[in-house]
Amino acid sequence: QQPVQSPQAVILREGEDAVINCSSSKALYSVHWYRQKHGEAPVFLMILLKGGEQKGHEKISASFNEKKQQSSLYLTASQLSYSGTYFCGTALEGSSNTGKLIFGQGTTLQVKP
Amino acid sequence: NAGVMQNPRHLVRRRGQEARLRCSPMKGHSHVYWYRQLPEEGLKFMVYLQKENIIDESGMPKERFSAEFPKEGPSILRIQQVVRGDSAAYFCASSPTGGNIQYFGAGTRLSVL
Repeated sequence: QQPVQSPQAVILREGEDAVINCSSSKALYSVHWYRQKHGEAPVFLMILLKGGEQKGHEKISASFNEKKQQSSLYLTASQLSYSGTYFCGTALEGSSNTGKLIFGQGTTLQVKP
Repeated sequence: NAGVMQNPRHLVRRRGQEARLRCSPMKGHSHVYWYRQLPEEGLKFMVYLQKENIIDESGMPKERFSAEFPKEGPSILRIQQVVRGDSAAYFCASSPTGGNIQYFGAGTRLSVL
């Protein structure tokens, strides 16, 4: 039931791009993306809803393939501040009004100068 | 507008003692979620509450754990007779409605000696 994230870890140079994927075996209502730095709270980045609605930061983009139950987070022109662990949280079909999120295991991103 | 407030930030307990973790949601938010995070792992859903009601406690261990969100005051996660395996970071999140964006607090790091 836990979504699978890939890759598990990625190292970038400043200015490079990265894609983080999140795949579920269950039908999804929404996908939420968060970034967490060590010892800190997860910070909301993006929510993608079934039907195409999206809310998030201007510099972050993501996609949600409802047929494949997959989401991808696109990080372009990476900055040092992008370093951290990225989690996708999924809300299953039927849980749309509860908000219970099932999180992936995380993708660790390190951006080097 | 203050964010989600959790206290204490760090809590040390000996085996067999009780731990009480507090969470004050963002202003205007009446939905609270508790998650547990073990080192180097993702967030695991524990319980979802609205004012005076437990909506979903499917992630709560059957024994020793309880949660409440009274009409007045913060949400409380209570762990009785703590064991070493309870050592983890406990995060609280809040949202204005179910299924909406969840905003996380800084967490309480529980250490059981």
